[in-house]
Amino acid sequence: NAGVTQTPKFRILKIGQSMTLQCTQDMNHNYMYWYRQDPGMGLKLIYYSVGAGITDKGEVPNGYNVSRSTTEDFPLRLELAAPSQTSVYFCASSYFGTSGGGDTQYFGPGTRLTVL
Amino acid sequence: QKEVEQDPGPLSVPEGAIVSLNCTYSNSAFQYFMWYRQYSRKGPELLMYTYSSGNKEDGRFTAQVDKSSKYISLFIRDSQPSDSATYLCAMSESGRALTFGSGTRLQVQP
Repeated sequence: NAGVTQTPKFRILKIGQSMTLQCTQDMNHNYMYWYRQDPGMGLKLIYYSVGAGITDKGEVPNGYNVSRSTTEDFPLRLELAAPSQTSVYFCASSYFGTSGGGDTQYFGPGTRLTVL
Repeated sequence: QKEVEQDPGPLSVPEGAIVSLNCTYSNSAFQYFMWYRQYSRKGPELLMYTYSSGNKEDGRFTAQVDKSSKYISLFIRDSQPSDSATYLCAMSESGRALTFGSGTRLQVQP
């Protein structure tokens, strides 16, 4: 299993440009997440999805959009890039079963985005 | 006040030392507590997972949760240079969406 893969690894955007960060998992996980990590800070949840076709906002969703048409893919869209979106973006996935309990989130390697 | 507080360090210790990493939190509804290790320029990886209060041991690592004090700890025994990384605590009410601390940078000197 490749686990969680993210593309691209690095990207520089100009203010106002748009881009899509790709995330794919091959573990048949139902839950997927997008986080951002600013320097010296913990991870903040942007959006998450509990299954194909279902998404919900996290702590910092403004300026981002997501979609989930398949179990495997969860792309994150930046429509009008701003310098405040300069960060490292991590995608994660987990399996949350009907029996309850917590889940283990598996993280991708991250995308480093700079907006100038 | 942040929901989860974690001393950013850096914490520098000699090889073989016992390391203690801690987080405090304010949300009494948190039930699931995790420790993630993050090497430089890599994604976080789950190290320890605890539900509710108590201790959990895995090799050189011990996680402790004290819900009455809203305080969690990670102990690393016989620390190795390969343990040098940033350690992030994370917690959740439901076991799903996580709230992370800011991370403690640990450096183990050979």
